[in-house]
Amino acid sequence: GAVVSQHPSWVICKSGTSVKIECRSLDFQATTMFWYRQFPKQSLMLMATSNEGSKATYEQGVEKDKFLINHASLTLSTLTVTSAHPEDSSFYICSARVVAGGRHEQYFGPGTRLTVT
Amino acid sequence: QQQVKQSPQSLIVQKGGISIINCAYENTAFDYFPWYQQFPGKGPALLIAIRPDVSEKKEGRFTISFNKSAKQFSLHIMDSQPGDSATYFCAASIFIGGGNKLTFGTGTQLKVEL
Repeated sequence: GAVVSQHPSWVICKSGTSVKIECRSLDFQATTMFWYRQFPKQSLMLMATSNEGSKATYEQGVEKDKFLINHASLTLSTLTVTSAHPEDSSFYICSARVVAGGRHEQYFGPGTRLTVT
Repeated sequence: QQQVKQSPQSLIVQKGGISIINCAYENTAFDYFPWYQQFPGKGPALLIAIRPDVSEKKEGRFTISFNKSAKQFSLHIMDSQPGDSATYFCAASIFIGGGNKLTFGTGTQLKVEL
């Protein structure tokens, strides 16, 4: 259980275009999902918290107009990188929160490799 | 941003040996400490986790040791196998805004040699 998928697994786009990444919880509902960014051989940095039916909460230094997050249903959150530039090239990973027995766990998706040319 | 310091950055262990990865934190509000395993090109997978009211937790070959007074915790992998070769991240969770928020350590690249 607690499987999280991401689509696409990798994407190449041209500078100035926008790209959408989907995060789905496959066998559970998630009112909260998280988006992380990971550079090669580095740690995961939290970008934003996505809440179903409400606006996302962005971490300090993350441009909300550039990284648009929509959590339209209990099983889907999307991250749109708008007007992408080469410096946006990174590994984007989502996670979904599971609450069970009073505990909060995050289950991670397989990640999306974005390359902006 | 709350920091979690992790060491070593990389580690080479012989097959059958013990791999030890250490983490330290500052914020005493952290209330949950998970460890994640990540293979190249994949997302992190939860390996084992501990709460600060417990000093040790063991699951199979994986053990977390937790020292609350020193604000340190470590992952021990017993009988390390080549299949354990991956990047390991410690994390610390804080309950905020109705849910938990994770802060990750910098990661340890483990290589288990035959």
